[in-house]
Amino acid sequence: GAGVSQTPSNKVTEKGKYVELRCDPISGHTALYWYRQSLGQGPEFLIYFQGTGAADDSGLPNDRFFAVRPEGSVSTLKIQRTERGDSAVYLCASSPGEDYGYTFGSGTRLTVV
Amino acid sequence: GQQLNQSPQSMFIQEGEDVSMNCTSSSIFNTWLWYKQDPGEGPVLLIALYKAGELTSNGRLTAQFGITRKDSFLNISASIPSDVGIYFCAGRVVGSNYKLTFGKGTLLTVNP
Repeated sequence: GAGVSQTPSNKVTEKGKYVELRCDPISGHTALYWYRQSLGQGPEFLIYFQGTGAADDSGLPNDRFFAVRPEGSVSTLKIQRTERGDSAVYLCASSPGEDYGYTFGSGTRLTVV
Repeated sequence: GQQLNQSPQSMFIQEGEDVSMNCTSSSIFNTWLWYKQDPGEGPVLLIALYKAGELTSNGRLTAQFGITRKDSFLNISASIPSDVGIYFCAGRVVGSNYKLTFGKGTLLTVNP
């Protein structure tokens, strides 16, 4: 597509529930990234995919967070047993490869109540 | 982890004024990027810098990659109301080709 598409744009869920956030990167971009942005902060790195594999998942806060990119395009960020502290904007970005500036999506605003 | 100190946190200026903001790092960076974020949107790349000392312009925006590789600044000349938003610096630490570390942002308000 023309840009990075993220769905849903907003998600409200109850504490303890499972959520999935979807990212559709720019066509042909091999690199895909997930970042998390809390209120008043800059984005913080979560995970990086090169193709289908997670090349670096060191930013995932704990094992409740998991992400996949099975066919090397669309990616899903999965959060189990959500907690109120997980509330944030989750940003996805893609690039043609490393060493390039990213193109970000508009983000998914997750609110855990 | 890596830390970027971005200043100022916020600025209130009159339309037509020039603006300057900067970032400093405790580590050497091999790339500096400047992004702008509007409410409800993701950050949009404004300028990318790849070499120490590099000075790059994009319209009314000018950014420089510091000689020490630990700092960068962004200047906006002749500000206009649509410049309102949050500006973020971001950088890649030497040895990392993909992970960006972001500053906390500078909130710019332009009074018409």
